[in-house]
Amino acid sequence: ETGVTQSPTHLIKTRGQQVTLRCSSQSGHNTVSWYQQALGQGPQFIFQYYREEENGRGNFPPRFSGLQFPNYSSELNVNALELDDSALYLCASSSGHSEETQYFGPGTRLLVL
Amino acid sequence: AQSVTQLDSHVSVSEGTPVLLRCNYSSSYSPSLFWYVQHPNKGLQLLLKYTSAATLVKGINGFEAEFKKSETSFHLTKPSAHMSDAAEYFCVVPPSGAGSYQLTFGKGTKLSVIP
Repeated sequence: ETGVTQSPTHLIKTRGQQVTLRCSSQSGHNTVSWYQQALGQGPQFIFQYYREEENGRGNFPPRFSGLQFPNYSSELNVNALELDDSALYLCASSSGHSEETQYFGPGTRLLVL
Repeated sequence: AQSVTQLDSHVSVSEGTPVLLRCNYSSSYSPSLFWYVQHPNKGLQLLLKYTSAATLVKGINGFEAEFKKSETSFHLTKPSAHMSDAAEYFCVVPPSGAGSYQLTFGKGTKLSVIP
């Protein structure tokens, strides 16, 4: 167990809806990264938050947005859901330096119908 | 940019036999490289990391990997497979340098262990 928790575990939405996924980071960690893992693929980096600021972003459209709170927990918001957004969404926490190990939560599985 | 290629999407071994999961990297310099494991319905877990200190790296659960610059490879091995090793394994390039934040994953190798 890494101490990183995510909620909900599973979610079903319809195309065009909006979704919010949540992540609680491991104690002592101030950085949260979000990844999307489509079926049969490796995780793809969405973005990273460090001390409440977006610290880097992968190749995802603006309808993917996020927040980090003062306690370093984080949210991932996806607007105007598309069928291809169906995936496992993973968050990872770390201590803020790029070379530090990232600790992953179990993920939220999102199905868009 | 650094990238990795996992040569097998699926590997099947019998319990007690050796495991070999192959990973080649593409980089103009010696990179850092990681292996992560993903068990069903569980988060990704770091197995081991190579950071240029020693070419043979030992990880958790009896796994090890050898960095071979001449072959641009970082294959994961284990002498004797256990049923609990059945999982998905990812070869990963970690963040490097200023402005680099993400882990870059290979496509993964699913390991099946036959009793």
